[in-house]
Amino acid sequence: GAVVSQHPSRVICKSGTSVKIECRSLDFQATTMFWYRQFPKQSLMLMATSNEGSKATYEQGVEKDKFLINHASLTLSTLTVTSAHPEDSSFYICSATTGTGVETQYFGPGTRLLVL
Amino acid sequence: EDKVVQSPLSLVVHEGDTVTLNCSYEVTNFRSLLWYKQEKKAPTFLFMLTSSGIEKKSGRLSSILDKKELFSILNITATQTGDSAVYLCAVALWSGNTPLVFGKGTRLSVIA
Repeated sequence: GAVVSQHPSRVICKSGTSVKIECRSLDFQATTMFWYRQFPKQSLMLMATSNEGSKATYEQGVEKDKFLINHASLTLSTLTVTSAHPEDSSFYICSATTGTGVETQYFGPGTRLLVL
Repeated sequence: EDKVVQSPLSLVVHEGDTVTLNCSYEVTNFRSLLWYKQEKKAPTFLFMLTSSGIEKKSGRLSSILDKKELFSILNITATQTGDSAVYLCAVALWSGNTPLVFGKGTRLSVIA
């Protein structure tokens, strides 16, 4: 139980293009999903918290116009990196909880983004 | 500022050794402490600790929390090469969405 998938697993794109990453909870409904970014040999840094049907809450320093988050259903959240640049290259991981306020998060397999 | 500090940052041991990984924290509104194992991809959940002094155990892994001294340890006995990974400690806070604050992780390498 508590399986989270992400798609795509890996993406290479040119600078200036937009990239959409999907995060799905496969066997449970996730009212809350989180988006993290992880640079090499660094820990996970929370980018934003996404609640179904409402606007995402972004962490300080994360540009909401650059990282668009949509959580349209209880099983799907998307992160769109708009006008990607090489410095956006990173490992993006989503996680989901089984209920609002539940602390155990289940992580997706991650998406490795490389912007050329 | 909430912070979670793990030590050591990296560790190399031989198969069969026992290791202890440390996690200390300074946060407001502590709710629970979680341990994750991260291999090449995303973290997998190991333990959640809420109360002091109660050991959680799963096979060769065990963990305990000390809420007075604000730290937790993760023990791995009889290590195997498959235990090689980054072990992440995270603290959950009391807030509406219960965000996690992660430490930098301990990179464990088990050599045959």
